[in-house]
Amino acid sequence: DAKTTQPTSMDCAEGRAANLPCNHSTISGNEYVYWYRQIHSQGPQYIIHGLKNNETNEMASLIITEDRKSSTLILPHATLRDTAVYYCIVRPPNAGGTSYGKLTFGQGTILTVHP
Amino acid sequence: ETGVTQTPRHLVMGMTNKKSLKCEQHLGHNAMYWYKQSAKKPLELMFVYNFKEQTENNSVPSRFSPECPNSSHLFLHLHTLQPEDSALYLCASSSQREGLGDTQYFGPGTRLTVL
Repeated sequence: DAKTTQPTSMDCAEGRAANLPCNHSTISGNEYVYWYRQIHSQGPQYIIHGLKNNETNEMASLIITEDRKSSTLILPHATLRDTAVYYCIVRPPNAGGTSYGKLTFGQGTILTVHP
Repeated sequence: ETGVTQTPRHLVMGMTNKKSLKCEQHLGHNAMYWYKQSAKKPLELMFVYNFKEQTENNSVPSRFSPECPNSSHLFLHLHTLQPEDSALYLCASSSQREGLGDTQYFGPGTRLTVL
């Protein structure tokens, strides 16, 4: 599976946009980019995912570069409750049968939102 | 609320005890997963079930015994655990549709402490 590289930590002021980068230079053509976050001692929360096009939902926007070697998660108006560890994960689609796209978590980016 | 519930939320047990963790999903998914998250470490996949059949055992010691009686319920039976097994145990579910990326939704986790 393709590896991802994320900054260890980032800070953001409350109310401002938080832009979290992720490098995945070895991504394959059929691999998805997933973002999850984990607030301290809770289960990971799904945020968004994409394959080639940019995506937006009620939580965030995902910008994937044209060559798909990097992406950015954007939280448009960060709040204190967005303080969490953010994971960028590259995973293949399910191949059928017992072969599925494994979700491999790294260390992620610790985002701290300040008042 | 993700549609995946776990009980208990906290568990303290001695090394000679036998206990079970329970996970239930209300999302109509066919696949369920157990993950372990030790302090300051990434999530580690333990077991995967697809339509009640175990499809992956990630070299987990036999003192952890999973059970999946149906697609909605998943158990993790614990016996003769060691203090280093203290961790956050997370359950997840997904639809594992062939050829697509599927999103895993996580429960809140069970914080296990082995004395």
